[in-house]
Amino acid sequence: SAVISQKPSRDICQRGTSLTIQCQVDSQVTMMFWYRQQPGQSLTLIATANQGSEATYESGFVIDKFPISRPNLTFSTLTVSNMSPEDSSIYLCSVTRGDSAEAFFGQGTRLTVV
Amino acid sequence: AQSVAQPEDQVNVAEGNPLTVKCTYSVSGNPYLFWYVQYPNRGLQFLLKYITGDNLVKGSYGFEAEFNKSQTSFHLKKPSALVSDSALYFCAVRTNQAGTALIFGKGTTLSVSS
Repeated sequence: SAVISQKPSRDICQRGTSLTIQCQVDSQVTMMFWYRQQPGQSLTLIATANQGSEATYESGFVIDKFPISRPNLTFSTLTVSNMSPEDSSIYLCSVTRGDSAEAFFGQGTRLTVV
Repeated sequence: AQSVAQPEDQVNVAEGNPLTVKCTYSVSGNPYLFWYVQYPNRGLQFLLKYITGDNLVKGSYGFEAEFNKSQTSFHLKKPSALVSDSALYFCAVRTNQAGTALIFGKGTTLSVSS
């Protein structure tokens, strides 16, 4: 398995501001994934972050709104920019490891935009 | 494109009765299939996976799932439900290509009554 630490665990932010979420993994991983879980809904993939290259964004998500950094094989950040109340969600970091098919998840960041 | 369908928003069962949570999928090639559980205010916990081999896979907490290729289904089952099984259950799929993200179903809320 992989131990994933996400910070912050929750935050309440003013609209128009930005929040950076950190994801730290206890071992080196190739791929890291960021998901959004809107209230009462499923997980939607935002982007895939590969170390040393630009993140790959899913349809409906853009880099200007959700910039991602992946400086090394154990760390990534997701920034939610120019926030609006519609961005209120749980944001989850996830990784897969070469020796395991399943994905492992952080505890998530519960974001409320007011 | 990959997709997962969980046709039931909620499943209600009495404690001690068997439970089934349904999942069907669409993916090109051989699928990797997963079930995760999410308890309130907690992250996603991995329950079980199907990669290859025996169509009946066993997982954590007494859960099992049956892979049916002809029906493209991967239903979650448990012979005897517990009140503590009450949670939100997600079916997920990905291709067998390394480094691909999981695609999640919308989730099914399981409610077990005493």
